[in-house]
Formats: sequence, structure tokens, C-alpha cells
Amino acid sequence: GQQLNQSPQSMFIQEGEDVSMNCTSSSIFNTWLWYKQEPGEGPVLLIALYKAGELTSNGRLTAQFGITRKDSFLNISASIPSDVGIYFCAGRAGGTSYGKLTFGQGTILTVHP
Amino acid sequence: GAVVSQHPSRVICKSGTSVKIECRSLDFQATTMFWYRQFPKQSLMLMATSNEGSKATYEQGVEKDKFLINHASLTLSTLTVTSAHPEDSSFYICSAGTVGNEQYFGPGTRLTVT
Repeated sequence: GQQLNQSPQSMFIQEGEDVSMNCTSSSIFNTWLWYKQEPGEGPVLLIALYKAGELTSNGRLTAQFGITRKDSFLNISASIPSDVGIYFCAGRAGGTSYGKLTFGQGTILTVHP
Repeated sequence: GAVVSQHPSRVICKSGTSVKIECRSLDFQATTMFWYRQFPKQSLMLMATSNEGSKATYEQGVEKDKFLINHASLTLSTLTVTSAHPEDSSFYICSAGTVGNEQYFGPGTRLTVT
């Protein structure tokens, strides 16, 4: 089956620093998504990417859909304490927006004030 | 924005009993609903995909007779964990998908089986 490798597994950074995390896949995806999950909550969509090479920003967050369609990265600039949480990448191989997703293992982000 | 609710948010049950978890799309009709389980500090694992009025499609390794899914309407899906055991304790999350939009996730249900 499809697998996503997400790295790093965890990050401990100081407020104000930039953060970068990435996902790689053994197979091609048509859509890459990035989610944030806080303790005891469901994931919240941060950025959606639909075309190879696409670079999209959402405030301090920037994500790119790799040109090979097998990878994606997420950058967070000037981190703040409320960025704390678990960040997941997710890929979808199918063509419909409601097709099933495969999730990465997650990156646990801790931001020290 | 679209809202997906889950009920209950937390449930504790005794081993051998059954527990039902509801997932509702509050302000839209969902083409498809998904059920995931998540163990502490791990990723979301898809359990099954359900469409209104048809049988759910279970992922490999998920027991369909243990995790009963009913999708009675375009806004409601239920997951029943039958004869629950301590190893079924987990965080269960549903999501709802619709044409042209990404899945919206519910807030999750924490199940503890004693």
C-alpha cells in the first residue's frame, strides 16, 4: 500500500525561528494536504496543493507540491507559541476531492517562548 | 465553514459492551464519510469509508463485524464498536467529504475500555 514518510518526527524550537518539515511517498499523489492537530481535537486543514510544482502560502505557512508528485514540504516562518501541535501531511492518489487520504506519521512541534 | 460534530466526545465502557459513536455534518450534505482511529502520538489510520445508503468499505485488517458502520443519511454516520476490549481504547475521528471540497474532520471521540 501507499506509505508516507514524514520528517522530522519532532522539533523543539525557539519562538521566532523558522520551521521546515517534509513528506515523501513511494508512489505518486494527485493532491497533497497539510493538517495541524491539537491535543484532543481533530485535524484542521492548513494548506491544500493540487498541481505538481505548486507553491502555496497561508499566512506564515508555505507549502509546495514536489515536481515528482512524490513529495511535499511545509515551512512555518517566525514561529509563535500557538504553532505548537502535531502537523500531518496527507496525500490522495485519486482524482475526486472526497477520495481517501493517506497520512504521514506526523511532526510534533514544540515552541519555547 | 463546514462543521462536523461527533458524539460523545468521551466514553468509558466496560469490556464486552458495545459503544456507538455518531458523526454528523451540521451544515452540509456529505458525499462520503470516513472513520479513523488514532493511538497516542501516532498518525490517523483509516478504518473505513462509507457512503449514504450503501455498505462501508473497510481497510485491510479492520474487522467489519467488530466495527459496525451505518450511514443512514447524508448528514449522519455511526460507528459501533461491538464487544469492546481494552485494546480498542483509542481516539476515533470521523471526517465528511463532499464534491469539490476537502474532508472536514470531527473533533474526535476518546474511547476507554476498562
